[in-house]
Amino acid sequence: QVQLQESGPGLVKPSQTLSLTCTVSGGSISSGGYYWSWIRQHPGKGLEWIGYIYYSGSTYYNPSLKSRVTISVDTSKNQFSLKLSSVTAADTAVYYCARDRRGGIDIWGQGTMVTVSS
Amino acid sequence: DIVMTQSPDSLAVSLGERATINCKSSQSVLYSSNNKNYLAWYQQKPGQPPKLLIYWASTRESGVPDRFSGSGSGTDFTLTISSLQAEDVAVYYCQQSGTFGPGTKVDIK
Repeated sequence: QVQLQESGPGLVKPSQTLSLTCTVSGGSISSGGYYWSWIRQHPGKGLEWIGYIYYSGSTYYNPSLKSRVTISVDTSKNQFSLKLSSVTAADTAVYYCARDRRGGIDIWGQGTMVTVSS
Repeated sequence: DIVMTQSPDSLAVSLGERATINCKSSQSVLYSSNNKNYLAWYQQKPGQPPKLLIYWASTRESGVPDRFSGSGSGTDFTLTISSLQAEDVAVYYCQQSGTFGPGTKVDIK
């Protein structure tokens, strides 16, 4: 079955760029029909959708984060990535990668905690 | 931007009793092209990622117990747990596309 796994630094300094990668196993990103997403959850808070990418490279971002977010895909590695620039303490959160089949997000990674601190 | 609201913020229900969570969207989530409501429900337990329970407002995800059901159309939706079990203690979120509701915490009374 398809599984997703986030990877990347757990600590990022303020003003720097947060970079995470999601590796998809058990299925191909290029198979189509799914939107590969990033979602975050601030400690003790609700879920915030960051954006998604289709295997073709088409993207859609949360308007509130759009100026700082880039999501890219590497179909040869079966991975997609998140870059969030100019981070502050407000970007400290658990970051999830997930598969959205446009009716619901049916597969989630376990999540990775990213702390923004000097 | 679509805003999703949920009520109540939290509720406590006796084991075996019914739990009802409401979700309201600021805009209709009904797509006329296919007559589907793009509204999903998730369950999240502490330390775990969310789990998809219901999609298209009322279609139960594979493997989800049938005590979970979803209803509604347009802007108003409901998640019902017909007979609350101990393992149902969690936070429940509704979602439409890029927006999640704030969540409803369900506990045992």
